[in-house]
Amino acid sequence: QVQLVESGGGVVQPGKSLRLSCEASAFSLSSHNMHWVRQAPGKGLEWVALTTYDGSNQYYADSVKGRFTISRDNSKNMVYLQMNSLRAEDTALYYCGRDFWGGPDYWGRGTLVTVSS
Amino acid sequence: DPVMTQSPPSLPVTLGQPASISCRSSQSLVHADGNTYLGWVQLRPGQSPRRLIYQVSIRDSGVPDRFSGSGSGTDFTLEISGVEAEDVGVYYCMQGVQWPLTFGGGTRVEI
Repeated sequence: QVQLVESGGGVVQPGKSLRLSCEASAFSLSSHNMHWVRQAPGKGLEWVALTTYDGSNQYYADSVKGRFTISRDNSKNMVYLQMNSLRAEDTALYYCGRDFWGGPDYWGRGTLVTVSS
Repeated sequence: DPVMTQSPPSLPVTLGQPASISCRSSQSLVHADGNTYLGWVQLRPGQSPRRLIYQVSIRDSGVPDRFSGSGSGTDFTLEISGVEAEDVGVYYCMQGVQWPLTFGGGTRVEI
């Protein structure tokens, strides 16, 4: 059973950093692009970033470009999201998702990030 | 970036009755490879999001056949042939023809 488990969320002050992790199991991570998608409280889904299957390319939403970095370690079955210069508007539930034919098919349960002083 | 517009934002349904959600894109979702990258994602309370449909009409693994997708170009529909209690949640259309992925605003399905 494909499984994605996010971790690393928490409460952080504006301007600080946080690193999210996503552990993948029961599939070959190296065969899939991987996404981070977030949902702010009371809002809809917002795509955040993507890393290609081999880590050679990364793509970002304009709202996080220059502040967030997506990376992966296929040997450890892990995907990461380094978040710097956090803002109140980054408060959200962050999901990682496996890409399959044009978007995430499997998603994790999410990890909550709260940016507040 | 394609802007995805869903309707209605809220959909009261009756158990056993059909339901339909519409999604319109501001631009064609047909890729140069000939595929149309439109999907539907279900968010149920307390659960991981789940994609139901990809490439307009292909059901993901394990998705009940009461869910079906249709449409072409810029106009798409998700239909539930007979709503069950477990279908309560929020449904989003999602385009994957180009990055950034973009989502519709969501449709809340409630009994």
